[in-house]
Amino acid sequence: GAGVSQSPRYKVAKRGQDVALRCDPISGHVSLFWYQQALGQGPEFLTYFQNEAQLDKSGLPSDRFFAERPEGSVSTLKIQRTQQEDSAVYLCASSENTGELFFGEGSRLTVL
Amino acid sequence: GESVGLHLPTLSVQEGDNSIINCAYSNSASDYFIWYKQESGKGPQFIIDIRSNMDKRQGQRVTVLLNKTVKHLSLQIAATQPGDSAVYFCAENDQAGTALIFGKGTTLSVSS
Repeated sequence: GAGVSQSPRYKVAKRGQDVALRCDPISGHVSLFWYQQALGQGPEFLTYFQNEAQLDKSGLPSDRFFAERPEGSVSTLKIQRTQQEDSAVYLCASSENTGELFFGEGSRLTVL
Repeated sequence: GESVGLHLPTLSVQEGDNSIINCAYSNSASDYFIWYKQESGKGPQFIIDIRSNMDKRQGQRVTVLLNKTVKHLSLQIAATQPGDSAVYFCAENDQAGTALIFGKGTTLSVSS
């Protein structure tokens, strides 16, 4: 596709449920990033992949958060046992190398 | 620690005016800076970037100024239009030079 595609766009989960958010980066982009954006805040870095290698996961807030990119293309962000504080927009971005990031529209997660 | 902040959370201008959005950054080692525009319900969209070996860069109706002495970044928008209404974020690269660190954002409102 022409841009970064994320699904689902909206997800409502009950506290304690597991969720999986998908990101399809721009074809050929080596780098892939996940960010978390709380309401009224700037995006906060979660994790970074270069191809299939997860090079930085320092931003993941807890061990309930897990990301993978097994074939160096599509990535999935998984949140286990969701909590209300996990409610946010989860943004995926890709880039050819480093520098300008191309963002998707985001997945809005609401945990009840 | 690394952080990027903005001077004003909101800016209101009249259509046709020039807008200036300011940003202060704290990491003197950052060598790449970028401005993003985010409309409601959408992902951040690239506006313009600048590397630390430059102090000014111009795009179409936008100019970014970098003052490394005082660690200050600004975005100038000429002849502001209603379509420019959005939240504007500045960002800098992190110490590893891979991820971007975002500030909290300035909401620009343009009235006709």
